Amino acid sequence: RKEVEQDPGPFNVPEGATVAFNCTYSNSASQSFFWYRQDCRKEPKLLMSVYSSGNEDGRFTAQLNRASQYISLLIRDSKLSDSATYLCAVNPSGAGSYQLTFGKGTKLSVIP
Amino acid sequence: GAGVSQSPSNKVTEKGKDVELRCDPISGHTALYWYRQSLGQGLEFLIYFQGNSAPDKSGLPSDRFSAERTGGSVSTLTIQRTQQEDSAVYLCASSLIAGGRGEQFFGPGTRLTVL
Repeated sequence: RKEVEQDPGPFNVPEGATVAFNCTYSNSASQSFFWYRQDCRKEPKLLMSVYSSGNEDGRFTAQLNRASQYISLLIRDSKLSDSATYLCAVNPSGAGSYQLTFGKGTKLSVIP
Repeated sequence: GAGVSQSPSNKVTEKGKDVELRCDPISGHTALYWYRQSLGQGLEFLIYFQGNSAPDKSGLPSDRFSAERTGGSVSTLTIQRTQQEDSAVYLCASSLIAGGRGEQFFGPGTRLTVL
């Protein structure tokens, strides 16, 4: 099983739709989780950290399910500008480690 | 404030040449990371700095790769005797605190093409 896995998509959704992505991770000791957004030929930009209690930022909601070892990202009322690749990132070993392990990303296309 | 900056933005080189990539982290960020992203691949961790020290270099793909950081700020990644498989986007990130909870912010990357 790969360390961090994502459905590559693409997810093609109409404007205004709600879309959700999942990301599974293999290391149960993982402590920190993040969602990044990456536009074509650009660097990843931090979208949000994922906390144990879940967190919400406007139209974006992130959840963590430790029992099933996945994190999710929900986007409500999709905008054309949400079209991008969404990367999940996991700190695989918890405290004392430093690198992030990234999934390969899920591509989202929001269609007019 | 200023984000992470990297130079050059693009580098085309011939196989066998050495290249040097530069990263200037966000001011005050003590931790600095190098990753690379090949076409269609995920981000691959290369090396991490805490201050000027690199506690673990195991992510570097071969001994042709080396990195240093001076003054707790600017870092350079050097690739010697470049090979075509080194072609990728090299991304630098920095974080205020080291370790898993430090949110990492990326620079725009250097796109390296080895002919």
